[in-house]
Amino acid sequence: SAVISQKPSRDICQRGTSLTIQCQVDSQVTMMFWYRQQPGQSLTLIATANQGSEATYESGFVIDKFPISRPNLTFSTLTVSNMSPEDSSIYLCSVLGQGPGEKLFFGSGTQLSVL
Amino acid sequence: QKEVEQDPGPLSVPEGAIVSLNCTYSNSAFQYFMWYRQYSRKGPELLMYTYSSGNKEDGRFTAQVDKSSKYISLFIRDSQPSDSATYLCAASSGGYQKVTFGTGTKLQVIP
Repeated sequence: SAVISQKPSRDICQRGTSLTIQCQVDSQVTMMFWYRQQPGQSLTLIATANQGSEATYESGFVIDKFPISRPNLTFSTLTVSNMSPEDSSIYLCSVLGQGPGEKLFFGSGTQLSVL
Repeated sequence: QKEVEQDPGPLSVPEGAIVSLNCTYSNSAFQYFMWYRQYSRKGPELLMYTYSSGNKEDGRFTAQVDKSSKYISLFIRDSQPSDSATYLCAASSGGYQKVTFGTGTKLQVIP
């Protein structure tokens, strides 16, 4: 399994500001995923980030709100822009494990609170 | 209807009990089934992984999939306080398709 470092681990932000979350993996991976986890709700995929191409966003998520960078095969960032209290959530970085099937491995998450 | 349904609990059991966690799903294309364990303020960690129907055992944990009834189960034997966490079931159809998660069941094992 990959070791995934995510930071910050938590932050409290003011409405209207932006926060960039960093995700570092200890091995090269083709696909990285960003998830949102809201209380009482299932993990929701925000976007898939492939190195060298634009991120692919899921329905309900747009690049202007959640811009993603993927400069190399071990690193990605997710920015939460123009934040509102509704953006308060846990944000998780994830990568696929080896072999068939979708074995996802997750970072420790970023707990974001927007005031 | 959600593609993966899971009772959110919370579920509270005494130490040593057998725990049964369950999910149902609606997408017949799902072939890969996972259970994740998530401790407070941590990311989910892959606990069990099953392909198609059948059972898979790993120590005190048994994952069971019944595709005919679209039912996913996780059994924990001799539960320990360290098993206290939120358990998430998940499923996918393979081929790098999106993984769909349940909402998670919060388990507390009381010493």
